[in-house]
Amino acid sequence: AQSVTQPDIHITVSEGASLELRCNYSYGATPYLFWYVQSPGQGLQLLLKYFSGDTLVQGIKGFEAEFKRSQSSFNLRKPSVHWSDAAEYFCAVGASGGSYIPTFGRGTSLIVHP
Amino acid sequence: GAGVSQSPSNKVTEKGKDVELRCDPISGHTALYWYRQSLGQGLEFLIYFQGNSAPDKSGLPSDRFSAERTGGSVSTLTIQRTQQEDSAVYLCASSPGASGGGQETQYFGPGTRLLVL
Repeated sequence: AQSVTQPDIHITVSEGASLELRCNYSYGATPYLFWYVQSPGQGLQLLLKYFSGDTLVQGIKGFEAEFKRSQSSFNLRKPSVHWSDAAEYFCAVGASGGSYIPTFGRGTSLIVHP
Repeated sequence: GAGVSQSPSNKVTEKGKDVELRCDPISGHTALYWYRQSLGQGLEFLIYFQGNSAPDKSGLPSDRFSAERTGGSVSTLTIQRTQQEDSAVYLCASSPGASGGGQETQYFGPGTRLLVL
């Protein structure tokens, strides 16, 4: 069974600063990896996903993530944070065989200071 | 096109009452998921429907929870004899169901916020 760890419950950054949100996964084969964002009062929206190929993945809203197999990580990054990026961010892993049900991390709450 | 919709947006009920939560998936999506999101927690999987196959109910926390999907489209999550610990946001998601669930993007509704007094 797969698992996901998001070590940071809250992250606070200043507007314009760079951002990195951590995600570590556990899965025996090559996983399908996702980052979703949840704005207050909204459902989750896909930011980006990784299946195979280039390990640096570009997403919407200026976000990117890098798959590092050796570290079992899929960290989300943004070079310059905007106030509108304040939200909850979820990392998820999908199995490449067997279960059709992805596993979500507990989420990281991003707070942006002006 | 229209996204996933859920109703009601908010529901306040008294302990012991039954509630029904509705989800309208994206048209043509054969896979449908229900999740529960409690304060400060991640997404807890509840139940998964795929086409006409038997649903995966492995995430339902007790026999007070049930769900059905009529005509392969609309789904209803029912909680009987609600308890205060059932208070949470209930999220529904759908996906195309064509390429295998593990790699599919899920499209989420805005959720139903349930408060049990």
